[in-house]
Amino acid sequence: KAGVTQTPRYLIKTRGQQVTLSCSPISGHRSVSWYQQTPGQGLQFLFEYFSETQRNKGNFPGRFSGRQFSNSRSEMNVSTLELGDSALYLCASSPPGAVETQYFGPGTRLLVL
Amino acid sequence: EDQVTQSPEALRLQEGESSSLNCSYTVSGLRGLFWYRQDPGKGPEFLFTLYSAGEEKEKERLKATLTKKESFLHITAPKPEDSATYLCAALTNSNSGYALNFGKGTSLLVTP
Repeated sequence: KAGVTQTPRYLIKTRGQQVTLSCSPISGHRSVSWYQQTPGQGLQFLFEYFSETQRNKGNFPGRFSGRQFSNSRSEMNVSTLELGDSALYLCASSPPGAVETQYFGPGTRLLVL
Repeated sequence: EDQVTQSPEALRLQEGESSSLNCSYTVSGLRGLFWYRQDPGKGPEFLFTLYSAGEEKEKERLKATLTKKESFLHITAPKPEDSATYLCAALTNSNSGYALNFGKGTSLLVTP
């Protein structure tokens, strides 16, 4: 079974730009969660989507948004990028009925200059 | 405020030298405690879930235990391939459904 895939793997942007990251979950998984990982803050939960609806949300500003499509693929968007948005963005999918068991993708490393 | 703290931040062991990693948590309404392994440049890999105090789970050289305030990841006779960052996370109820709070991890280096 193919794992969680994320594209692109690496990205360089400048302040003020916006960025869209993509995540394809494991086949059959309908829950997709997004996390931001930085050396200082560690892994922080952004939001979770289930059946195209945002089911849960962390404490991030509205510049961070996401969506999920009918095939469970998800995208995350960050608008008006700031230097502090430089991080590894991880996507995780969960099997039905087991939201706590999260299978992570390799992440997208975003550098904001 | 829910908090998950891991110690030590970094640990260097010689091959075969057993040790334990600590994850202490201050949360309300723990639903589960998770351990992950993360290799450089990769996403975290799920290892264990513990649900109640006294529970233990084992996988190869790793054993995870849980008390009411902390969890330990015991590594017995580690090998260099066990080198990685180990993350723990506490799953709790929240106003928006649930919250998964991660610790900052313990970076483990096992030398031959």
